[in-house]
Amino acid sequence: NAGVTQTPKFRVLKTGQSMTLLCAQDMNHEYMYWYRQDPGMGLRLIHYSVGEGTTAKGEVPDGYNVSRLKKQNFLLGLESAAPSQTSVYFCASHRRGRCYFGPGTRLTVT
Amino acid sequence: SQELEQSPQSLIVQEGKNLTINCTSSKTLYGLYWYKQKYGEGLIFLMMLQKGGEEKSHEKITAKLDEKKQQSSLHITASQPSHAGIYLCGADIAMYSGGGADGLTFGKGTHLIIQP
Repeated sequence: NAGVTQTPKFRVLKTGQSMTLLCAQDMNHEYMYWYRQDPGMGLRLIHYSVGEGTTAKGEVPDGYNVSRLKKQNFLLGLESAAPSQTSVYFCASHRRGRCYFGPGTRLTVT
Repeated sequence: SQELEQSPQSLIVQEGKNLTINCTSSKTLYGLYWYKQKYGEGLIFLMMLQKGGEEKSHEKITAKLDEKKQQSSLHITASQPSHAGIYLCGADIAMYSGGGADGLTFGKGTHLIIQP
C-alpha cells in the first residue's frame, strides 16, 4: 500500500493564481483531512471529510475549498492565492484510532 | 487559545541521556496521538493512547496517559541522533466540538536536538 500520497510536493504561486492540491489514499478510509503547518502555529485543520461526497470546515477554512468526489481522493483548492497561504499542507486519513499523514506539499505564494 | 500545551518547546539533550516531553489538556483526552516529524518531512505515527493509565512502548520510546486523561508524557531512554526531530501530540477534536471523527487538534510541538 502506498498509504497517503500528495501531489505536488512543491509549488510556487503568484498572488491571485489558483491551484489544486491532490491527496490520495489506498486504505479505504472514510475520514480525510487537510491541515496546514506554520512555524509557531503548529498544525491547524482546514477542512475535512467524513465520507465520499461530504465536506466540512475545520479551524481555518477561509480561502480554501475542498471536494471529495471519490472516496480515495480529497482535493484542496485555492481559488485566489494570497501570501498568507504560504505554508506546508498535509493531508491525512483516519480509521480505528490511527491517523495517517501524507508527506506534505510546500507551497509558497509570492 | 491553544487547547493542547506541549512542554518544553525545545530540548537539547546529550546523546545517551533520557528525556521526557509532556502534553497537557484542559479537557479530558479521549484519544491522544504522538507523532514524530523530521525537519521538512511528514508526520510519523508513534502511538495512540485511549485509556487512563495506559502505557505503550516502541523501541526506546514510551508514552503514558495519566489516570485523569488530561496529560500524556513521552519518554525516550538512552537518546540517539535518530531521535532528533519535532514531536507532536494530537487529540481527537470531537472532545472539543462534540461527536464524530472531526480530526485532531495538535500541540505546537517539541523540537528535540540530540548532541553527540
